[in-house]
Amino acid sequence: DAKTTQPNSMESNEEEPVHLPCNHSTISGTDYIHWYRQLPSQGPEYVIHGLTSNVNNRMASLAIAEDRKSSTLILHRATLRDAAVYYCTAGGTSYGKLTFGQGTILTVHP
Amino acid sequence: DTGVSQDPRHKITKRGQNVTFRCDPISEHNRLYWYRQTLGQGPEFLTYFQNEAQLEKSRLLSDRFSAERPKGSFSTLEIQRTEQGDSAMYLCASSHRQGEKLFFGSGTQLSVL
Repeated sequence: DAKTTQPNSMESNEEEPVHLPCNHSTISGTDYIHWYRQLPSQGPEYVIHGLTSNVNNRMASLAIAEDRKSSTLILHRATLRDAAVYYCTAGGTSYGKLTFGQGTILTVHP
Repeated sequence: DTGVSQDPRHKITKRGQNVTFRCDPISEHNRLYWYRQTLGQGPEFLTYFQNEAQLEKSRLLSDRFSAERPKGSFSTLEIQRTEQGDSAMYLCASSHRQGEKLFFGSGTQLSVL
């Protein structure tokens, strides 16, 4: 799996957009980029994933750099419920084994 | 979709005791995973089942650990002769098809005294 690097923490204000970066410079051509988030005392929750093109779903958008060595998770309007640890993973096997780093702790201020 | 269910939510045991955790995946999911998470770290992969077959085991899974999925439905993870270093959150996840997202349970928090 590709090693991922994320900032330890980020802060945002409620209702503002949040851009969470992730570097995965050793990513291979077939590695998907997955984002999960984890609230206290809960298991990780899937957010979004992509391969090459930018992706959107009801939770977030994923912007993938043209060289695929980095990506950005975009929360368009942060809410207090978005406060969590966000994990970026790159790679994984075809059957879903993922390698998680330490993630980014997102704090959202009211 | 009732989600992935894990039991118990919390387990406190004394060093040297055996413990067993149960995971009930989402019913139509044939792929099941166990992960372990320690405080401040991301989850670490332990093992993977496709139906009843255990197809991969991490080096983290020592001889004291055993996982089963006897009928391709629920799974159990047993730790024998627990050690203080086994204290962690044990997470179960399931998925339906290749490359699909994982659905995680809320985990079992193990404390070994």
